[in-house]
Amino acid sequence: GQQVMQIPQYQHVQEGEDFTTYCNSSTTLSNIQWYKQRPGGHPVFLIQLVKSGEVKKQKRLTFQFGEAKKNSSLHITATQTTDVGTYFCAGMKEGGYQKVTFGIGTKLQVIP
Amino acid sequence: DADVTQTPRNRITKTGKRIMLECSQTKGHDRMYWYRQDPGLGLRLIYYSFDVKDINKGEISDGYSVSRQAQAKFSLSLESAIPNQTALYFCATSDARQGTRQPQHFGDGTRLSIL
Repeated sequence: GQQVMQIPQYQHVQEGEDFTTYCNSSTTLSNIQWYKQRPGGHPVFLIQLVKSGEVKKQKRLTFQFGEAKKNSSLHITATQTTDVGTYFCAGMKEGGYQKVTFGIGTKLQVIP
Repeated sequence: DADVTQTPRNRITKTGKRIMLECSQTKGHDRMYWYRQDPGLGLRLIYYSFDVKDINKGEISDGYSVSRQAQAKFSLSLESAIPNQTALYFCATSDARQGTRQPQHFGDGTRLSIL
């Protein structure tokens, strides 16, 4: 079945440093979604990418979708303590049955 | 998301017991999902339903069953609980009326421990 690999699994950064998490799919994706889960909370939708090569920004967060629609990344510039949490990508298979497959998530710790 | 309510929030039970986790939503969404979350394994889909009378197995459905009693309600049952079903369970919804590529809205989760 479809697999979505996400790395790294954990990342510790000093406040102010940048952070990136990567997702790779074994199959071409129709779209990819990104979610954030704060400690003790539930996943919350951040953004969706649909087009090949698409780049979207939300303040300090930059999301990219690869040209082949098989990989994606989330980059945070100048991390803050409020960025702490686990970031998940979720891919929908091209021609699939309209359900997403989640990556295992990247847990981000920001050291003040 | 306060519009997706899971009950109970926490449950401790013994091996062999039957357990039901409930999910209700006031968002009017047609699609509902059950996931379990385990450390290092992310979110894995147990069952999903695209409408009342539509039930589909996810990647880890063994040992679980579901019921879509109404558009707003989707319950997950563990017929005979075993310790490796100890996990954090999430219900989620999405609205296909807006298109097929819609975000999912999660409840606050049910933390289930099976002794």
